[in-house]
Amino acid sequence: DQQVKQNSPSLSVQEGRISILNCDYTNSMFDYFLWYKKYPAEGPTFLISISSIKDKNEDGRFTVFLNKSAKHLSLHIVPSQPGDSAVYFCAASARNAGNMLTFGGGTRLMVKP
Amino acid sequence: GAVVSQHPSRVICKSGTSVKIECRSLDFQATTMFWYRQFPKQSLMLMATSNEGSKATYEQGVEKDKFLINHASLTLSTLTVTSAHPEDSSFYICSAKTPYSNQPQHFGDGTRLSIL
Repeated sequence: DQQVKQNSPSLSVQEGRISILNCDYTNSMFDYFLWYKKYPAEGPTFLISISSIKDKNEDGRFTVFLNKSAKHLSLHIVPSQPGDSAVYFCAASARNAGNMLTFGGGTRLMVKP
Repeated sequence: GAVVSQHPSRVICKSGTSVKIECRSLDFQATTMFWYRQFPKQSLMLMATSNEGSKATYEQGVEKDKFLINHASLTLSTLTVTSAHPEDSSFYICSAKTPYSNQPQHFGDGTRLSIL
């Protein structure tokens, strides 16, 4: 049973527009959520995170929104740049589970010039 | 930001060889390190959690005698794939974390293991 799901395997966006990547989870014990960016043959790079006590966290062009009642989070990138093209993974953890990360399946973002 | 170094980045070896992969946290002390495996076009699958000074905790289906983990210090964890076979070929990635809650795991750049 997948506890963290990214239902869109890919997303294509025009440069300068907004990219919205979505993630759903089922485990109500998750209290910390993260987004990572990954290029092929490299490890994931941490982008932004949010604690369950917040519903929004912003860092430059990246904003993460958390809707606890819907068990949904999203990553907004605006404006999108060609260098943002990569695979984006959302991940979740629970303090009572040793902060172990559970990853979604990833969404491949392609930003077209 | 936090840096995690993983070495080697690529290994090609014959079947039956044992391969050791190192994961180091360069600018912070990592009480916990994690080892993941990624198959092509799939997500990262947690193999084991490595705590400094204690035995690693393995996920279901991961053979602990096959994948030996040692976390001898607060900055170094090693994964040894013993008697590797072609089916062990994969991309292995480690991550490290400080002991504080709500802090991200930081990942190494991964090791591409190819067993001939």
